[in-house]
Amino acid sequence: VQLVESGGGLVQPGGSLRLSCAASEFTFSSFWMNWVRQGPGKELVWVAFINTDGTTTTYADSVRGRFTISRDNARKTLYLQMNSLRAEDTAVYYCSRDGDGHFDYWGQGTPVTVSS
Amino acid sequence: DVVMTQSPLSLPVTLGQPASISCWSSQSLVHSDGSTYLNWFQQRPGQSPRRLIFKVSNRDSGVPDRFSGSGSGTDFTLKISRVEAEDVGIYYCMQGTHRPRTFGQGTKVEIK
Repeated sequence: VQLVESGGGLVQPGGSLRLSCAASEFTFSSFWMNWVRQGPGKELVWVAFINTDGTTTTYADSVRGRFTISRDNARKTLYLQMNSLRAEDTAVYYCSRDGDGHFDYWGQGTPVTVSS
Repeated sequence: DVVMTQSPLSLPVTLGQPASISCWSSQSLVHSDGSTYLNWFQQRPGQSPRRLIFKVSNRDSGVPDRFSGSGSGTDFTLKISRVEAEDVGIYYCMQGTHRPRTFGQGTKVEIK
């Protein structure tokens, strides 16, 4: 199982960013997927969930209405569109698969810094 | 949201000695389907998290058998029977029974 995130970087408050997570070595379309973030020196926080065909999505209260999770099963890629970014969104963002329960595999993470 | 509380937050251990981390949830983690969705994760310095234990006591593939999980309801424990140098890192419990899924604050394991 491989999960490789990309798309992170420095963005100004109020800006947007789209993260990607490329999956390989497993049948991506068969698994629920998530984004989890970790602020500097802080604990892990679940951000968003999507089911296998993308028809069901859920979000943490802190990002609902600003972030959108989606997936392209043909491209084996998970996305996180982040709008209206705030300083408190600064974190490393991980994609994680739900297998045998929750969060069985994680990517290496992509850092997002929101600062002027 | 379900609050997950870990203790201790810092755990200095001697190589070869046992270690134990406790985790409490603010609500019972028994799901309506009968399962208890309590997981444990290890995060080594500079690495992404790795799941060690799922559904209280099931070790993930490749996890050494010195790691074990136990507990029920609201009280859970991760034990390392004999700590090795590679076990240094932060350990998190996490519940998946209730939405949203929530993590504990983390327990930092270091070698004395």
